[in-house]
Amino acid sequence: AQSVTQPDIHITVSEGASLELRCNYSYGATPYLFWYVQSPGQGLQLLLKYFSGDTLVQGIKGFEAEFKRSQSSFNLRKPSVHWSDAAEYFCAVGVGGANNLFFGTGTRLTVIP
Amino acid sequence: GAGVSQSPSNKVTEKGKDVELRCDPISGHTALYWYRQSLGQGLEFLIYFQGNSAPDKSGLPSDRFSAERTGGSVSTLTIQRTQQEDSAVYLCASSLLAGPVPGELFFGEGSRLTVL
Repeated sequence: AQSVTQPDIHITVSEGASLELRCNYSYGATPYLFWYVQSPGQGLQLLLKYFSGDTLVQGIKGFEAEFKRSQSSFNLRKPSVHWSDAAEYFCAVGVGGANNLFFGTGTRLTVIP
Repeated sequence: GAGVSQSPSNKVTEKGKDVELRCDPISGHTALYWYRQSLGQGLEFLIYFQGNSAPDKSGLPSDRFSAERTGGSVSTLTIQRTQQEDSAVYLCASSLLAGPVPGELFFGEGSRLTVL
């Protein structure tokens, strides 16, 4: 069965520092991978997605993620974090022909001045 | 509307009462999803509608939960005889694409349900 693991429940970084949020998935074939962000009191917004091709994908708000098949990972990165990036981040995996996305439990990001 | 609209945004009810949560998807989106977000649990898939096809109900946690989608647009999630463990944020999402490749899901802001 498909599953997504986000091992970090809460991460705190200083503004301007680099960020990496971890995501590992379990699925036999190449999955479709997504990162969503949920700001306080708002719905989830798509940051980026990977379907095929270049394993380094660029998203909105300066985020990028790299698909590493050998590690079953799809980690999210940002070189310099802004205070407005404080939010909850969800990794999700989709399977071809299936009807839903499987979400991780999320990582809450706190940004300190 | 411009985005996915959900109502009510907050609902407090007593244990044993029935509740209805409404979702109005983005116009033209054929796929509609309901998820439940509990503290520390991530998003739990509940049900999926795609056009006129039979819905995928595989995520509904019990027979107290049901959902319908009228006219391929607005959807209502009904929880009968609510229990305290039903307290959560219920998220609706819609998508333009559905089938072999999952499309981008557009989420509403959710309905927060509190069962006393």
